[in-house]
Parts: sequence; C-alpha cells; structure tokens
Amino acid sequence: QQQVKQSPQSLIVQKGGISIINCAYENTAFDYFPWYQQFPGKGPALLIAIRPDVSEKKEGRFTISFNKSAKQFSLHIMDSQPGDSATYFCAASIGRSNSGYALNFGKGTSLLVTP
Amino acid sequence: NAGVMQNPRHLVRRRGQEARLRCSPMKGHSHVYWYRQLPEEGLKFMVYLQKENIIDESGMPKERFSAEFPKEGPSILRIQQVVRGDSAAYFCASSPPPLPGQGGTGELFFGEGSRLTVL
Repeated sequence: QQQVKQSPQSLIVQKGGISIINCAYENTAFDYFPWYQQFPGKGPALLIAIRPDVSEKKEGRFTISFNKSAKQFSLHIMDSQPGDSATYFCAASIGRSNSGYALNFGKGTSLLVTP
Repeated sequence: NAGVMQNPRHLVRRRGQEARLRCSPMKGHSHVYWYRQLPEEGLKFMVYLQKENIIDESGMPKERFSAEFPKEGPSILRIQQVVRGDSAAYFCASSPPPLPGQGGTGELFFGEGSRLTVL
C-alpha cells in the first residue's frame, strides 16, 4: 500500500503566488522527510529535507512544515516562478534501517506556474 | 564530475524478450538503488545493492526481475520475458555509505532514467 499519501495530484498557481503541497504518512518509524523535484525527462533531485525534531525548515523560497502529531508535512513554495513548474514528490524513510537511504515516495504533484 | 549514468535511455522490447538496464553510480558511491516509475505514479522502490551484495530486494517482483552490482562495472537490472506491464521508467540512484548514527537519512542522487517500452 502507499505509505506516503500526497495531495493535490496537480496544482496551477499564478506567478508570485504560494504553492502548497501536502503529504501524510502512517508509519511513525519514519524519521527523514525529503522533497524531490523532477523535470520532464529528468531524474528527481533533492530539493529540501527535514527531520522530525524540528517543525519547520526554510531554504530560500522553499519551506517544509512538519506536524509530528498529525503525521503530516507540507512544502510551501513562496513567490512561485514559471521555472518552478515541475513534478514534486514527498518521501519518507526510516533511519537506522538496513535499507540505506531507500525512500518511500508519494505519487507526486504536477505544478504549473502560469506567467 | 559525472553524475549517475544510466543506459540505455530508451529501450524497446517485444513481449518475451529480455531487457538489461545499466547504472554507473556517482564517483565514490558504493550504494545503488533501483526504482520504477509508472505513468501518474510515484517512484516505487525495487532493490538496494552494495558492491557484490543485495541488501534489500523487498520491492522486486518475485519472478523475472533480478539485479546485480558486481565488483567491477555497472549495476544491472535484468527483466526476463518482458510483458507490457513492465513498460515504465526505471531510475537508478546512488549514495555514499550511510554515516554512523545517521542511518537512512541522506540524499539519493538519481540518474535520468531508462524508459522501457514493451510492444
């Protein structure tokens, strides 16, 4: 079953607006939550990541908000730009596991930022 | 400073043929992961390998799929007797060895994928 549930499936935002993508998980053993960005024809690339000991992490225009009690985390893209148009995947993994950095991904959100 | 290299980028096979996908990890990375991406789906973990060892193959289909990462050369994902449902993008990722105490909390570096089409 899908261990990480992501919404919405697609999102259209005007240039300068805020893009918000949400994810939820069930496995409380997850302790690493990255977001990956994927452009058409390319592989995913790490955008930003958070561990559950903090509730928010900001890098430039990108912010992760993390709610441990609700088992939810979200990506906020401030001042969205057309160049941000891509597919975004949330993911989660279990630290200290035997699976290295193996990640469980959400199904992705296709973001379109209009001029 | 080459990234993760995958080839072929595109592969077309007829039902019943074999598909071999190759992945060379980033320099200095000894851990390789294979993921499958179906249209409108996220990436599904298939297998995690270190040199000469399969560490976790919990995501691999029980039949027709196999993976290896030999001492020399690239990692190979092999699909025997392909069926139409195997059509997908297959991504390889690599990482350095997990640091002590850090466990599974690190970055995966992905290749650009191999897109398999089964006719």
